[in-house]
Amino acid sequence: EAQVTQNPRYLITVTGKKLTVTCSQNMNHEYMSWYRQDPGLGLRQIYYSMNVEVTDKGDVPEGYKVSRKEKRNFPLILESPSPNQTSLYFCATRVGTDYGYTFGSGTRLTVV
Amino acid sequence: GNSVTQMEGPVTLSEEAFLTINCTYTATGYPSLFWYVQYPGEGLQLLLKATKADDKGSNKGFEATYRKETTSFHLEKGSVQVSDSAVYFCALLDSSYKLIFGSGTRLLVRP
Repeated sequence: EAQVTQNPRYLITVTGKKLTVTCSQNMNHEYMSWYRQDPGLGLRQIYYSMNVEVTDKGDVPEGYKVSRKEKRNFPLILESPSPNQTSLYFCATRVGTDYGYTFGSGTRLTVV
Repeated sequence: GNSVTQMEGPVTLSEEAFLTINCTYTATGYPSLFWYVQYPGEGLQLLLKATKADDKGSNKGFEATYRKETTSFHLEKGSVQVSDSAVYFCALLDSSYKLIFGSGTRLLVRP
């Protein structure tokens, strides 16, 4: 079964404590992306990766890092989380050029 | 730049009512258009898509037609059910293959 797996599903942390949200896909897709979802704003792209070792900023990259050392994994790193990064995060892979994305189940992050 | 505008919610309907959720877009060229649905506590699922003008996407009783002249992709369903209660997102795939979303519309269907 085609899957995008994110972990953890829920995370509460304190300001400044580094954290990583993992994302893994089993579809051998080259393109992966991270989005954050906020009320009234829809989903906004944080970072994307066209292939291994190729990453680029999306619309809201500040305060985030990513890495793509292998095709299946695309972790999102918050070096020093702040309360304005409290959000619902989604990892996604792109299914061809006209088929939109497949999304993970989401990670709800709260930074206090 | 490219953008998607959706009607604000929430939209509250009685079961078996007709549903329309408006979506308009601004883009260069003719992007592929999508509707995604997010059920409570879940991720986003692709509901339907259209890749060129006048295409009609359909799935689970939902339909949307790609209207180039009005730059719209309105979502419709003839008879909603309680199980359709969710948040619906309209989106376009831009020329760099980035998915750009509207702000989402929450639908609540009452028995």
